Amino acid sequence: AQKVTQAQTEISVVEKEDVTLDCVYETRDTTYYLFWYKQPPSGELVFLIRRNSFDEQNEISGRYSWNFQKSTSSFNFTITASQVVDSAVYFCALATGGGADGLTFGKGTHLIIQP
Amino acid sequence: NAGVTQTPKFRVLKTGQSMTLLCAQDMNHEYMYWYRQDPGMGLRLIHYSVGEGTTAKGEVPDGYNVSRLKKQNFLLGLESAAPSQTSVYFCASSGGVVGNNEQFFGPGTRLTVL
Repeated sequence: AQKVTQAQTEISVVEKEDVTLDCVYETRDTTYYLFWYKQPPSGELVFLIRRNSFDEQNEISGRYSWNFQKSTSSFNFTITASQVVDSAVYFCALATGGGADGLTFGKGTHLIIQP
Repeated sequence: NAGVTQTPKFRVLKTGQSMTLLCAQDMNHEYMYWYRQDPGMGLRLIHYSVGEGTTAKGEVPDGYNVSRLKKQNFLLGLESAAPSQTSVYFCASSGGVVGNNEQFFGPGTRLTVL
């Protein structure tokens, strides 16, 4: 069975602070894919990143960065210099094998950026 | 190009009533999925389809049926709605396995069962 744990239910920071959202996954498959999605207050799901199990390189996209560590089964997401518009629920998700049978989501972290 | 659309956006049902949620995509995607989102639970997979005429059970299939008669449509049916099915339902599609293809989500359907 596979599982995604986002231990932080809610995080509140002041604008311009850096914040890291944790994601720990469990799977017995050697081939898997990790994802982050953003769900703003409007409710839609916005794709942020996909990473496969064979690529442990960290990735940076503007103020967003992702740290993938197979040794600790973690795929953490950092927002640098947070902004109010970053306020949302963030989901980490896992797909195993080819991922034909969909994604396994974590329960989400509600990020609140205070002005 | 509308992407993934869901009909209706909101619905209120009484216990025991039936209804069908429609998901449509115009991207010629093979794979389609139905998820439900409950507070504090994240999204959970209900059913999915890897092509026209095929369906398979996900993590929480009980109480739901699905059909994929046309490639562009994926229907989710509730034969006898229960309050436990109050949720936000998301449909998604992808051009192939999600390991290599982005999964596009619809805007969601908010269903309340009284």
